[in-house]
Amino acid sequence: GAVVSQHPSRVICKSGTSVKIECRSLDFQATTMFWYRQFPKKSLMLMATSNEGSKATYEQGVEKDKFLINHASLTLSTLTVTSAHPEDSSFYICSARKGVNEQFFGPGTRLTVL
Amino acid sequence: GENVEQHPSTLSVQEGDSAVIKCTYSDSASNYFPWYKQELGKGPQLIIDIRSNVGEKKDQRIAVTLNKTAKHFSLHITETQPEDSAVYFCAASKNAGGTSYGKLTFGQGTILTVHP
Repeated sequence: GAVVSQHPSRVICKSGTSVKIECRSLDFQATTMFWYRQFPKKSLMLMATSNEGSKATYEQGVEKDKFLINHASLTLSTLTVTSAHPEDSSFYICSARKGVNEQFFGPGTRLTVL
Repeated sequence: GENVEQHPSTLSVQEGDSAVIKCTYSDSASNYFPWYKQELGKGPQLIIDIRSNVGEKKDQRIAVTLNKTAKHFSLHITETQPEDSAVYFCAASKNAGGTSYGKLTFGQGTILTVHP
């Protein structure tokens, strides 16, 4: 199996606060995890690549100081949305890579910033 | 970089009919082509994948074909059922290595509706 969990599944926060989302690979080790953002009725937009023990690689246009990524172990990566604002409201999804290609996705986190 | 185009954007079929979704890719170095099914409010679920050394792969009612020369691949669902209704995404990637990390490039998605 290849199961990836995300926590929390939903979060509502006030503007200006920070929110941390956890992504865990439950039954395999993942050197690399990916963080995506998805807008309604749109495809997945890669935000950053998270590598265990090293700095994350961010896609063009993604603010690394706003979206902090930590990949401290082979089964856990975290995404922290700092000083969240309403425009950060979105569906955030992580995936974990197994082997050289296969990516297994978490169930997603719905973030609403008031 | 890689570019993946997916068609159609919406597909409506009657239960029991077949559904076909097509994707094209631009980078001839891509060698892994997965298909994901995403239900509303959930994360994408890997349903089938194919590697560039294979032309076709089948898993029960689902099959994927790959034409490396033309750089396109397709998802075929036979005997569709209402529970097949979802958004389907194709993707392409190269093996992880160097700075590639095995990043996926996704198509735009196809909303499949199967009418009972």
